[in-house]
Amino acid sequence: KAGVTQTPRYLIKTRGQQVTLSCSPISGHRSVSWYQQTPGQGLQFLFEYFSETQRNKGNFPGRFSGRQFSNSRSEMNVSTLELGDSALYLCASSLWPNTEAFFGQGTRLTVV
Amino acid sequence: AQSVTQLGSHVSVSEGALVLLRCNYSSSVPPYLFWYVQYPNQGLQLLLKYTTGATLVKGINGFEAEFKKSETSFHLTKPSAHMSDAAEYFCAVSDRSQAGTALIFGKGTTLSVSS
Repeated sequence: KAGVTQTPRYLIKTRGQQVTLSCSPISGHRSVSWYQQTPGQGLQFLFEYFSETQRNKGNFPGRFSGRQFSNSRSEMNVSTLELGDSALYLCASSLWPNTEAFFGQGTRLTVV
Repeated sequence: AQSVTQLGSHVSVSEGALVLLRCNYSSSVPPYLFWYVQYPNQGLQLLLKYTTGATLVKGINGFEAEFKKSETSFHLTKPSAHMSDAAEYFCAVSDRSQAGTALIFGKGTTLSVSS
């Protein structure tokens, strides 16, 4: 069974640009969550989607947004990139909310 | 708000020695509890979880953790460290009263294993 797939693995963007990251969950999983990992702040929850609806949102500015499609694939978008947005962005999928979360390998975003 | 504290950002052990990684949570209602491991340039892999029932939980790769409500702790142990255990370990909680899987992570503990 294929795991959680995140694309691209690495990304370099310029300040002020926007970026879209993609996450394909494990087949059959309907819940997708996103996390940001930085050396300073550690792992922080961004948002969670279930059945195309945002169920939960972390404490991030409105520049961070996401969506989920009918096939459970999810995308997250960051607009007006700042240097501080440089991070590893991790996606996790689970069968239902509050069940075991399986993580992808992440997308390493560098903002220059 | 819930929080997770991992005591010791860096733990060093010799191969074959006991591994003990500490985790305490702050919550009036015991949350769901998890330990994840992260190898360099990789995502997170679930080692074990506690949701309900037996307080001693066994996970993969010989790891286990014990939920102690009175101490609000969920320490991770392994009787005998192996070189391949060198990685970063994260304790996480999720609120069982919330409809969602939002995980709150500790800052992580880097485990070094020397031969």
